Amino acid sequence: QQPVQSPQAVILREGEDAVINCSSSKALYSVHWYRQKHGEAPVFLMILLKGGEQKGHEKISASFNEKKQQSSLYLTASQLSYSGTYFCGTYTGGFKTIFGAGTRLFVKA
Amino acid sequence: NAGVTQTPKFQVLKTGQSMTLQCAQDMNHNSMYWYRQDPGMGLRLIYYSASEGTTDKGEVPNGYNVSRLNKREFSLRLESAAPSQTSVYFCASSPGQLEAFFGQGTRLTVV
Repeated sequence: QQPVQSPQAVILREGEDAVINCSSSKALYSVHWYRQKHGEAPVFLMILLKGGEQKGHEKISASFNEKKQQSSLYLTASQLSYSGTYFCGTYTGGFKTIFGAGTRLFVKA
Repeated sequence: NAGVTQTPKFQVLKTGQSMTLQCAQDMNHNSMYWYRQDPGMGLRLIYYSASEGTTDKGEVPNGYNVSRLNKREFSLRLESAAPSQTSVYFCASSPGQLEAFFGQGTRLTVV
């Protein structure tokens, strides 16, 4: 079942912060975060593993609440280059990752 | 360093025609995936292959078939294309439950 992302869209000014949430109805082994620019392929940002291990981007952080089956992506001091659509991907076992519908982020100068 | 290569990049089909989308990865990954992306729907999993010789259905498998030809290649076939299959198709590979690497996508229009 597809995880639920919120908000659906965000508009920021350069330098502002944003939080994108991802919620699943199933127990999660890991959560992945990706960013997609218009007309391009999704690009990996970060993975959060069950047990707290985190691997990924140096300027973007995330949290993973295993009990609540939720993850949040924190974008601080946003830059113009942060614009795009952010997807969370949830891994619940069985070698498949299911993605949310995406959050569109627009950063303006 | 090619990563994940998809062909073709663009395709227009008539309703009822068949075609195969090709995907190859050079990262020695075990797992490969086919997703479709439609506006407002995100990436939806069509089929996946956990390892060479195995394939399984994802969220939206109807109207598609796949072949894991070898460890490098994973193809997606539309036997009788329908307008509802107009979409952008992405192939991805992964070493396991870790990050996925995506190809550049195939933009398919069925008229």
